[in-house]
Amino acid sequence: DAGVTQSPTHLIKTRGQQVTLRCSPKSGHDTVSWYQQALGQGPQFIFQYYEEEERQRGNFPDRFSGHQFPNYSSELNVNALLLGDSALYLCASSVQQGSRGYTFGSGTRLTVV
Amino acid sequence: GNSVTQMEGPVTLSEEAFLTINCTYTATGYPSLFWYVQYPGEGLQLLLKATKADDKGSNKGFEATYRKETTSFHLEKGSVQVSDSAVYFCALKIRTGTASKLTFGTGTRLQVTL
Repeated sequence: DAGVTQSPTHLIKTRGQQVTLRCSPKSGHDTVSWYQQALGQGPQFIFQYYEEEERQRGNFPDRFSGHQFPNYSSELNVNALLLGDSALYLCASSVQQGSRGYTFGSGTRLTVV
Repeated sequence: GNSVTQMEGPVTLSEEAFLTINCTYTATGYPSLFWYVQYPGEGLQLLLKATKADDKGSNKGFEATYRKETTSFHLEKGSVQVSDSAVYFCALKIRTGTASKLTFGTGTRLQVTL
C-alpha cells in the first residue's frame, strides 16, 4: 500500500519564477495538508484541503495557493519565488473523520537561486 | 496562540544511555500531542501520540505521558541505539471546525555514538 507520494523530490528555481508541487495521498485518505520546513526548523502549516476546498490556512502570503482534485491528490503553487521560499515542502494526508493522525510524504526540496 | 517548545539540541549520548527530550506546550482548548521522528533526507514519521490528559503513548521503546498540569509531553527511552539518531519533533493538534493542523516545535537532534 503506497503511502504519501510527492513529486518532484528536488528542484531548483530562479527568483520570480513560479513552481508547482504535487502530492498523492495515502490510499483511503481524503484530506491533504501542506507544510514548509526551513533548514533546521520545525514544519510550518501552510494550508489544508478537504472536499476540494481550502479549510484552514496558516500565516503564508497569497503567493502560496493550492488545489485538491476529485481523486484527493493536491498541488501547491508558489508564485513570484523568493530566496526565502527555499525549504523542504511536506505533504501530509489524513482522514477527515478519523483520529489516526497524519501520514507524511518524503517532501520536495525546493531551492530558489 | 498555540506553540510548542522543545529542548535545544544536539543531544549526544552513548549507546544504551537513557534519553529524555523535554517538550512543553501552550494551547487553547484540548490538544492531542505527538512525537514525530525525521531521519536524514526523509519526511516525518509518527513515533507516538496521546489524545488526552494522563494518556501514555509508546512505541519502539519510546514513551511520553500527556501531563496537563505541567503542559508537558517529555519523550523518554531507557536505552538508546545508534539507529535512534535522528531529529525528534514534538507537536500538538487542535481541531477547528472541519479543519485541524499540527503545530511543531523546532526539533531536537539526537546523536547516539558507540
